[in-house]
Amino acid sequence: DVKVTQSSRYLVKRTGEKVFLECVQDMDHENMFWYRQDPGLGLRLIYFSYDVKMKEKGDIPEGYSVSREKKERFSLILESASTNQTSMYLCASSLLGADSYEQYFGPGTRLTVT
Amino acid sequence: AQSVTQLDSQVPVFEEAPVELRCNYSSSVSVYLFWYVQYPNQGLQLLLKYLSGSTLVKGINGFEAEFNKSQTSFHLRKPSVHISDTAEYFCAVSGYSSASKIIFGSGTRLSIRP
Repeated sequence: DVKVTQSSRYLVKRTGEKVFLECVQDMDHENMFWYRQDPGLGLRLIYFSYDVKMKEKGDIPEGYSVSREKKERFSLILESASTNQTSMYLCASSLLGADSYEQYFGPGTRLTVT
Repeated sequence: AQSVTQLDSQVPVFEEAPVELRCNYSSSVSVYLFWYVQYPNQGLQLLLKYLSGSTLVKGINGFEAEFNKSQTSFHLRKPSVHISDTAEYFCAVSGYSSASKIIFGSGTRLSIRP
């Protein structure tokens, strides 16, 4: 079974702190994604990566950056956390190519910024 | 570009009753269509997919969906729901040329009453 793990289930940070959210997948997937999930808005793509050291902006990249130094690990960074970044953050991975539409999700990190 | 509309944010039904969750999409190109499910405190998982061929697709747990190109719809149905179907359901779309990048709807919360 594909397994996508996220470093924390719940996280509380203060405004202005630098926040790191870590995601690891164990199935050698090329693609990795970071989404945020908000009630009534569904999932919105923040960033994705299709290879080590490669990244592309999603629909809402402002206030976020990412890092992919190893194929299995994709980190989301909030340089200076703000209260409007309080949300559920979901990481996902998928193969490259014909089966790339099936994404495998981690359990999510619920981040609260106070 | 593609977009997805889920008209119902919440759908309450009684156990063993039938259910339909509605999804409409918009796209200028041919698309793949999906339904993902998110059980409480979990990440999303793929429920079913339409890639090509038969417009009626069957997924896990007795769910099925029908692709209707003329109405640009992909409604999800189940003839008899169980308490264990309580979850949030997301309709999603991707273009043929960008299968990795999936656009999610805002979600429909299905609540089952005993």
